[in-house]
Amino acid sequence: QKEVEQNSGPLSVPEGAIASLNCTYSDRGSQSFFWYRQYSGKSPELIMSIYSNGDKEDGRFTAQLNKASQYVSLLIRDSQPSDSATYLCAVKIGSNDYKLSFGAGTTVTVRA
Amino acid sequence: SAVISQKPSRDICQRGTSLTIQCQVDSQVTMMFWYRQQPGQSLTLIATANQGSEATYESGFVIDKFPISRPNLTFSTLTVSNMSPEDSSIYLCSVAEDGNYGYTFGSGTRLTVV
Repeated sequence: QKEVEQNSGPLSVPEGAIASLNCTYSDRGSQSFFWYRQYSGKSPELIMSIYSNGDKEDGRFTAQLNKASQYVSLLIRDSQPSDSATYLCAVKIGSNDYKLSFGAGTTVTVRA
Repeated sequence: SAVISQKPSRDICQRGTSLTIQCQVDSQVTMMFWYRQQPGQSLTLIATANQGSEATYESGFVIDKFPISRPNLTFSTLTVSNMSPEDSSIYLCSVAEDGNYGYTFGSGTRLTVV
């Protein structure tokens, strides 16, 4: 079982719609969760971090965490063509380690 | 957040040669990491660069192939040794300024081995 798994893509959504990205992780002791956006040919850019169960909103982005289900998601509201990128879920595995484990990524395309 | 300068940004190298990638951070950071991203793939951690001691390598990566230096809290190098075409990847350094507040990546080095 992979440490971090993301829903398979690619995901295509029309402009203005909600894009929903899902991620599950294997280690129940994990405490820190991150979403990165990576444009083609660029390095990953942190867009959201979440540490507690529930929702965390930042502009058009909402991260949701459910530790009991070992599940973290990212919603992109009012999707824009500029949101077209690969979104990577990253988990700090365990509670005492500083290493990040990444999911395979979900490529999102927003259709104008 | 920390600003990371990584160089070179890209290189084309002959098989059998070595390339050293540099990562300079504008502030002192405790944790520094090196990742590899193969074409169309996600990020794989190569090693944690430890200041003043040997790097900690992940399974599948060895010091002879990927020697790492970390002479101080703002600088690290990764060398890709005896390169083969399979080493063609993007190599990224990353720092954790605070263990809970996200990790910042350098701009990456796109390596092509011919």
